[in-house]
Amino acid sequence: GENVEQHPSTLSVQEGDSAVIKCTYSDSASNYFPWYKQELGKGPQLIIDIRSNVGEKKDQRIAVTLNKTAKHFSLHITETQPEDSAVYFCAASWEGNTPLVFGKGTRLSVIA
Amino acid sequence: GAVVSQHPSWVICKSGTSVKIECRSLDFQATTMFWYRQFPKQSLMLMATSNEGSKATYEQGVEKDKFLINHASLTLSTLTVTSAHPEDSSFYICSPAPNTQYFGPGTRLTVL
Repeated sequence: GENVEQHPSTLSVQEGDSAVIKCTYSDSASNYFPWYKQELGKGPQLIIDIRSNVGEKKDQRIAVTLNKTAKHFSLHITETQPEDSAVYFCAASWEGNTPLVFGKGTRLSVIA
Repeated sequence: GAVVSQHPSWVICKSGTSVKIECRSLDFQATTMFWYRQFPKQSLMLMATSNEGSKATYEQGVEKDKFLINHASLTLSTLTVTSAHPEDSSFYICSPAPNTQYFGPGTRLTVL
């Protein structure tokens, strides 16, 4: 089955700097890669996703890149703000009626 | 995106009691519901899959007699934790298929 590795487990950046979180997946059949932000005591919130037919997607300060050959994808947050501090999870699945497999999460701290 | 509700949002119970968690998809019909649990400071792990009108399937290591799942309609799936013990304390989250990128807000279960 699918296995998703996520790095780093913790990340501290100064406000205004960029943050990058990387994930690798094992199943070449996976074609859907969402990213989630989870704040304390809340459920995961979808922030951006990418499908295997594109290599990059951007939404304001957030971007995701996908390298299908290498089976890795990354989340990029630019101009970080204190409110970006949270735990971020990557996930992978074969889109449709299949569940997501999650990475172990990255705790991002943005220092003002 | 898909709208999913869970009830209750949190529950505290005594060891040995049973707790029922409801998950509703509010704006579409979900033939399948994925149930995940998240222990403190860990990632989301798939527990079981409920299918409307048929038996649920459980991931390895999840006791089907302890975690009873019912998917009686296309908008409601329930998870009952029977004879709960402190080690069952966790955050339980549902996700409807095929909109598997969306999650309910979660239910925090604390067993004393």
